[in-house]
Amino acid sequence: EAQVTQNPRYLITVTGKKLTVTCSQNMNHEYMSWYRQDPGLGLRQIYYSMNVEVTDKGDVPEGYKVSRKEKRNFPLILESPSPNQTSLYFCASSLLGQAFAGVRDTQYFGPGTRLTVL
Amino acid sequence: GIQVEQSPPDLILQEGANSTLRCNFSDSVNNLQWFHQNPWGQLINLFYIPSGTKQNGRLSATTVATERYSLLYISSSQTTDSGVYFCAGLYQTGANNLFFGTGTRLTVIP
Repeated sequence: EAQVTQNPRYLITVTGKKLTVTCSQNMNHEYMSWYRQDPGLGLRQIYYSMNVEVTDKGDVPEGYKVSRKEKRNFPLILESPSPNQTSLYFCASSLLGQAFAGVRDTQYFGPGTRLTVL
Repeated sequence: GIQVEQSPPDLILQEGANSTLRCNFSDSVNNLQWFHQNPWGQLINLFYIPSGTKQNGRLSATTVATERYSLLYISSSQTTDSGVYFCAGLYQTGANNLFFGTGTRLTVIP
């Protein structure tokens, strides 16, 4: 079954304690992305990756790191989490990425990770 | 970045009713899409609709790119249509930063 998986699904942590949220897709997609969802703000892109070893900042990258060492995995790293990073996080993937106007390229989303930083 | 405004922010419908959701963009966008987030948080792509009109069952979408807006029509609504509907688009060709609207929360009551 084609899917994007995230782990953990729920996480409560304390300020400053490094954490990693994993994301994996089994569709051989080149493009992967992380979003955070906050009430009243919709989804905002944190980082994206067009392919292995190619990553770039989205709309709200501060306080986050990513890596893309393998095509299927795109972990999100919070080196020193703060309470303002409490949010619902989504990982997504698509075959090519969104840069090709006129080419339909559906994004598949993971189930989400609800993070609380105390 | 672009501003994406969705209206109405909240909508309550009786089962069987029709509705129209609107998405306005502050600037020209590419690759406009509509998503549905169900009450369990799962996000599903509904339409890729950079221009024109598409239909999928009881749902249809229309984008008028020159006027920077898109509409999502839901006919004969069902309780399973409940959730949040988002539109999203790319700011310009070649960019990979997908901007989402703040969503319309739809509740369909039996």
